[in-house]
Amino acid sequence: TQLLEQSPQFLSIQEGENLTVYCNSSSVFSSLQWYRQEPGEGPVLLVTVVTGGEVKKLKRLTFQFGDARKDSSLHITAAQPGDTGLYLCAGTGSGNTGKLIFGQGTTLQVKP
Amino acid sequence: GAVVSQHPSWVICKSGTSVKIECRSLDFQATTMFWYRQFPKQSLMLMATSNEGSKATYEQGVEKDKFLINHASLTLSTLTVTSAHPEDSSFYICSARETSGTGELFFGEGSRLTVL
Repeated sequence: TQLLEQSPQFLSIQEGENLTVYCNSSSVFSSLQWYRQEPGEGPVLLVTVVTGGEVKKLKRLTFQFGDARKDSSLHITAAQPGDTGLYLCAGTGSGNTGKLIFGQGTTLQVKP
Repeated sequence: GAVVSQHPSWVICKSGTSVKIECRSLDFQATTMFWYRQFPKQSLMLMATSNEGSKATYEQGVEKDKFLINHASLTLSTLTVTSAHPEDSSFYICSARETSGTGELFFGEGSRLTVL
């Protein structure tokens, strides 16, 4: 069974601070996705990383895929209250089903 | 962009009744859809993979007789929670994988089930 360990699970910081969320596994994933979810809504895709060592930037968010494609990180620079939400990493499982396996999620609170 | 719609978005029912939740891909075909369950402040837990025209594949620990899945067309999958009990109260989310093109996965808005 492929598992994704996401940390930290809860994070409360002040506006302007930087933070990093980690997503680790002992398994290799063909791709990793990062989602953000607001309460009462479905998750919204932020980015997909496919190539080992890949780095993608989305404004103040930087996503990195590990060289071995077993881990990923999300770094937010100068966090703002609008960044508050649940961040989820998810990996496409092995085999032909293509099912998405989610990490435990990181609840981020950015205080003004 | 592609849209996946869930209905109802929220439902309240009495214990012992059955509730059906629909997941529709509005502008694309989806051979495969996935059903997730999410408890408050927790991540999404995959329940089953819904395959058009065939039986769903359930994850370990998920009762297939309790959570009936039907994927009768390329744009519709349904999840029926049978004989619902308060512990079935949860947020249920579906996702649909585009059959053609990139095979990208799109999520529905979720359905909040409360069993009294």
